[in-house]
Amino acid sequence: DAGITQSPRHKVTETGTPVTLRCHQTENHRYMYWYRQDPGHGLRLIHYSYGVKDTDKGEVSDGYSVSRSKTEDFLLTLESATSSQTSVYFCAISESAANQPQHFGDGTRLSIL
Amino acid sequence: GQSLEQPSEVTAVEGAIVQINCTYQTSGFYGLFWYQQHAGEAPTFPSYNVLDGLEEKGRFSSFLSRSKGYSYLLLKELQMKDSASYFCAVRAPVLKGGNNRKLIWGLGTSLAVNP
Repeated sequence: DAGITQSPRHKVTETGTPVTLRCHQTENHRYMYWYRQDPGHGLRLIHYSYGVKDTDKGEVSDGYSVSRSKTEDFLLTLESATSSQTSVYFCAISESAANQPQHFGDGTRLSIL
Repeated sequence: GQSLEQPSEVTAVEGAIVQINCTYQTSGFYGLFWYQQHAGEAPTFPSYNVLDGLEEKGRFSSFLSRSKGYSYLLLKELQMKDSASYFCAVRAPVLKGGNNRKLIWGLGTSLAVNP
């Protein structure tokens, strides 16, 4: 299995608080991704990174920011959490070649009350 | 734009063969993946197609027809553990010199395998 660790695995917090989720990889892969998964919506890309300090928006980026200061770490921040951001968040990584799959972490279940 | 269509649910019997279809409309084609996801777990990667034809990987096979914008995942000798959601995903267009490795995802097909 690809070495991907997401932390925390579960979090409950209140509306308006900042939240940071961490994705750590030991594979030295160039590409990293943050998704959210909600019933009826499948996997939706929030942000992705194609290198250290290189990031771009996905389809549902509003309310989220990311940072990648090291190859191995990709952070997702909710500046002021809202109940609509309650979801399961997955981090994924992939190698540079276009035919390589994305490998997923175990997910973070985030509840915002 | 890019879009993928898959049935929302499929039901089959243990020991049987089941086919899960995926049709896509994309501007260009750069490869199609099938992922399996068990409830409460991360998606995992069963197969990849970039050329027309059938790719076999144990009990799982995946077929692609680029001219028809169509793929299917074939699961043989179904087992109860195959009950999961299955997603098709296509590679988004890569612009010249671009860094895009994004995938466009279908909404998933929930497969229920009954005894």
